[in-house]
Amino acid sequence: TQLLEQSPQFLSIQEGENLTVYCNSSSVFSSLQWYRQEPGEGPVLLVTVVTGGEVKKLKRLTFQFGDARKDSSLHITAAQPGDTGLYLCAGAWEYGNKLVFGAGTILRVKS
Amino acid sequence: NAGVTQTPKFRILKIGQSMTLQCAQDMNHNYMYWYRQDPGMGLKLIYYSVGAGITDKGEVPNGYNVSRSTTEDFPLRLELAAPSQTSVYFCASSYITSGRTDTQYFGPGTRLTVL
Repeated sequence: TQLLEQSPQFLSIQEGENLTVYCNSSSVFSSLQWYRQEPGEGPVLLVTVVTGGEVKKLKRLTFQFGDARKDSSLHITAAQPGDTGLYLCAGAWEYGNKLVFGAGTILRVKS
Repeated sequence: NAGVTQTPKFRILKIGQSMTLQCAQDMNHNYMYWYRQDPGMGLKLIYYSVGAGITDKGEVPNGYNVSRSTTEDFPLRLELAAPSQTSVYFCASSYITSGRTDTQYFGPGTRLTVL
């Protein structure tokens, strides 16, 4: 049983489409992070959200932390082939402490 | 800076063999972590360390041991390899100060197969 449930597990879309990936839990987290991982490499941090309701934008990527700090979403506008990868959410119960990861969403953007 | 380095990149072990996965970081980070990643399961924390000489168990520590004699190095030891330990292993490090969750920097991983 995953403490953090990510959906969908797999997403294949055409270049230019929009998409949203969800990360849900019954637990309250002090912060939540999103990582992107490419094949054969380790995950790379995209963003950290710490305040309920917080929205952060990173170019075409928009991240939102739920008001109750139990869920988060990642929205990509006008997806590009370079966005292809595994997207992982990770929650922390205490600042600076251990992370709990979701199973990930595999995104494939076709040109 | 090289960041976080891991050796070896690939390894095949026979059941019952032992090995050490090496991890080093040159960023003077205080926290270091070992994760395993299985298909469709995300990353699971095996062990972590908050500084030299201090280690603690994560979510899936059974079958593994760690030590942290220096700030830079955090080796992971498998004593009696089992097929269930077939996985990709990632080492990570971060600099933690009170009151914030900081970035974890990951190494490139070690792909281990136990036959």
